[in-house]
Amino acid sequence: NAGVMQNPRHLVRRRGQEARLRCSPVKGHSHVYWYRQLPEEGLKFMVYLQKENIIDESGMPKERFSAEFPKEGPSILRIQQVVRGDSAAYFCASSPPPRSVSSYNEQFFGPGTRLTVL
Amino acid sequence: DQQVKQNSPSLSVQEGRISILNCDYTNSMFDYFLWYKKYPAEGPTFLISISSIKDKNEDGRFTVFLNKSAKHLSLHIVPSQPGDSAVYFCAASGNNFNKFYFGSGTKLNVKP
Repeated sequence: NAGVMQNPRHLVRRRGQEARLRCSPVKGHSHVYWYRQLPEEGLKFMVYLQKENIIDESGMPKERFSAEFPKEGPSILRIQQVVRGDSAAYFCASSPPPRSVSSYNEQFFGPGTRLTVL
Repeated sequence: DQQVKQNSPSLSVQEGRISILNCDYTNSMFDYFLWYKKYPAEGPTFLISISSIKDKNEDGRFTVFLNKSAKHLSLHIVPSQPGDSAVYFCAASGNNFNKFYFGSGTKLNVKP
């Protein structure tokens, strides 16, 4: 009964390097959310994806950040040319396909990846 | 733009008493509200939710109250237990559930 898995749990990068964060959803879940949590703050929505499609990316910074959820394999959040301000905990959550447009399906969160930029 | 606010960063309560966690929001288009519990080094865990057509939802020791006119919701935990000590986040969404807005969290400490 595997829940949402994220790896790595901790990632250290130097300024200018690339960071790749992986999220494996609950088996059968087709939708993934990514959130960022800065120290002493709440989770901030970044992007909502279903397999092979971005549904809402209004929370993603316009540069350096991208996300994908391919047909096979985990969802990837990619941060290019990292800066110190990218240091944060990044959480993904998965949910099953919506039963209808206006029905809520519970999000199941992973344990997060803590990114530290030196 | 902080659309969901939790103004109390921390709360300390004696075991067996009631814990009341508060949350305010600014967007009248929010349709669905949730509470999550988070332990250190773990992801948030869903606790309880309420849709805007209701003003109360109860699940065991947990009750969420929604006051739409005041744009305020609260989570009541009765009786509080030491295992309830965690950070509690409230969150809100419109009716398409594409995007969720989280508050900054309230750290609850239940003293034995």
